[in-house]
Amino acid sequence: DIVMTQSPLFLPVTPGEPASISCRSSQSLLHSNGNNYLDWYLQKPGQSPQLLIYLGSTRASGVPDRFSASGSGTDFTLKISRVEAEDVGVYYCMQGLEALFTFGPGTKVDIK
Amino acid sequence: VHLVESGGGLVAPGGSLRLSCAASGFIFSDYSMVWVRQAPGKGLEWVASISSSRTYIFYADSVKGRFTISRDNADNSLYLQMNSLRAEDTSVYYCAREDVYFHFWSGYRHRSFDMWGQGTMVTVSS
Repeated sequence: DIVMTQSPLFLPVTPGEPASISCRSSQSLLHSNGNNYLDWYLQKPGQSPQLLIYLGSTRASGVPDRFSASGSGTDFTLKISRVEAEDVGVYYCMQGLEALFTFGPGTKVDIK
Repeated sequence: VHLVESGGGLVAPGGSLRLSCAASGFIFSDYSMVWVRQAPGKGLEWVASISSSRTYIFYADSVKGRFTISRDNADNSLYLQMNSLRAEDTSVYYCAREDVYFHFWSGYRHRSFDMWGQGTMVTVSS
């Protein structure tokens, strides 16, 4: 199975400041078709997870443009250009390359 | 567009439970579906997947042989039959819609889990 890791696991943020989360996979998520099979999800407190990013860097419908993602192969990054209070929660990366999907451990983002 | 899980509850170790997920607002038979769970205070764990026409079914090693995913496209419903339940199966169980796409030479590929239900709690305890 592909193992996903994230860092940091806890990220205190200041509203208006940028934030960045790293995700790494034990195997390359870059398929020979040119796509990276890496998703990002946000689980806000008391809510179900919601999709933020798919195929490595494509924002899902309705996701604010302060969220961006990049990376390829085994190293990926989610960035928030200016954190807002509503962005608090746990961010998960997930590999979609193999049918046995695996999530990262999650990064808890909270306001300082 | 809506997914509503039901069927959770308290069950003794070794017991069984059947979860349901009712879908509405989209053409259910066009989509693969998955179950994802979350133990109290823990992260997300994918449990099982089923393709739109039931051709492909996959399970996490942790539930293989004990859980069975199924669907009824006529009834817009997804199910998870859970047998031989263990304390470590205690979790909130979410159903989610999997968006897939067809790549011209690599076939059907995962795009995202683009819709999630609110979850149903399963507690395994004596």
